[in-house]
Amino acid sequence: GQNIDQPTEMTATEGAIVQINCTYQTSGFNGLFWYQQHAGEAPTFLSYNVLDGLEEKGRFSSFLSRSKGYSYLLLKELQMKDSASYLCAVKDSNYQLIWGAGTKLIIKP
Amino acid sequence: GAVVSQHPSWVICKSGTSVKIECRSLDFQATTMFWYRQFPKQSLMLMATSNEGSKATYEQGVEKDKFLINHASLTLSTLTVTSAHPEDSSFYICSATPGGETEAFFGQGTRLTVV
Repeated sequence: GQNIDQPTEMTATEGAIVQINCTYQTSGFNGLFWYQQHAGEAPTFLSYNVLDGLEEKGRFSSFLSRSKGYSYLLLKELQMKDSASYLCAVKDSNYQLIWGAGTKLIIKP
Repeated sequence: GAVVSQHPSWVICKSGTSVKIECRSLDFQATTMFWYRQFPKQSLMLMATSNEGSKATYEQGVEKDKFLINHASLTLSTLTVTSAHPEDSSFYICSATPGGETEAFFGQGTRLTVV
């Protein structure tokens, strides 16, 4: 079966750095996505990786290793507004998005 | 970025009644739209793929006669929850990807509460 694993919850301090990991086992791979979702709202796109390596976009970076079935999202200079759930999703061989359960990130002052 | 609009944002209905949720792509044409359901603290679960001009494709375990999907135009898909029950209470979200784009764009979501 297809599976995406990420930690359920993480806590970090305002101004610090946090890394959210995601491992996946899917039938085929056509890209990995990270989305941010605030409670009661729809997900918003953060990043996309299809080749190995690091993609940097402002305070957020995402890394992919296809051979290891592994990705992480790195958030720097954390702000209180970064408190949200972070969803990892993979497009499989049918280009269908398979979603992880999300990691709830709690930012403390 | 592209805009997907979903309506209503929230709805409360009585058991046994039907509720229609609309999903519109405002600035692009979407031959395919996706309907998801999300229970509290759980992942997005794909319910069905809505195809313009043809029947929707439902995921295993999703009752097609209960969750009616109509995709009559390139900018509108509707999901009707028929004979709603309290266990249908959930957050329903639609998404679409414009041609040439990689990311999916989501509607605002609809919080359905069945009492």
